[in-house]
Amino acid sequence: DQQVKQNSPSLSVQEGRISILNCDYTNSMFDYFLWYKKYPAEGPTFLISISSIKDKNEDGRFTVFLNKSAKHLSLHIVPSQPGDSAVYFCARNFGNEKLTFGTGTRLTIIP
Amino acid sequence: DVKVTQSSRYLVKRTGEKVFLECVQDMDHENMFWYRQDPGLGLRLIYFSYDVKMKEKGDIPEGYSVSREKKERFSLILESASTNQTSMYLCASSSPHSLPLSYEQYFGPGTRLTVT
Repeated sequence: DQQVKQNSPSLSVQEGRISILNCDYTNSMFDYFLWYKKYPAEGPTFLISISSIKDKNEDGRFTVFLNKSAKHLSLHIVPSQPGDSAVYFCARNFGNEKLTFGTGTRLTIIP
Repeated sequence: DVKVTQSSRYLVKRTGEKVFLECVQDMDHENMFWYRQDPGLGLRLIYFSYDVKMKEKGDIPEGYSVSREKKERFSLILESASTNQTSMYLCASSSPHSLPLSYEQYFGPGTRLTVT
């Protein structure tokens, strides 16, 4: 079972506030986790990744947290901006070049 | 910058037609992938190629085949299109030698295929 699950299909956040997107996974081994952002009619673009040997990785407004005991991954966006409105996918790599994607969460930033 | 291009942004085909979707990448990547994206199902891997003339089935290969005759080009073939193959098709590429190691895949803009 190599699933990653995004249980929230949508999320609305006020501009300037924190957006928190969540992802759960099973059967942890040595993994890499990635977050992608997708606008309509465009391909997904890579945002940030984290190795399973780390707890946190930060890049500008984006921070990914990995809670290994809970098998939970989260992406924090602070502060949220209108251009952040998109579908966000978490993805998992098992060291074999393939990625397994979650079902996505549609984030809407309210001005 | 890595560039992945797909031959068509929108395509309309009839049931039973043979359909070719082309993907080209310009970064000399070894790995290339075909996914389909459907609402509520995320991105699902159809086929994967890790070298010229090498291919591996993904999670949903039924009804599809692929061809990789040159390193930069990866084609997805629908032998006999059906209405349940109406979807957004996404091509991606990656390199196993990228540093820092992240397993990042670079995606094309997608082809919205409608089968009527």
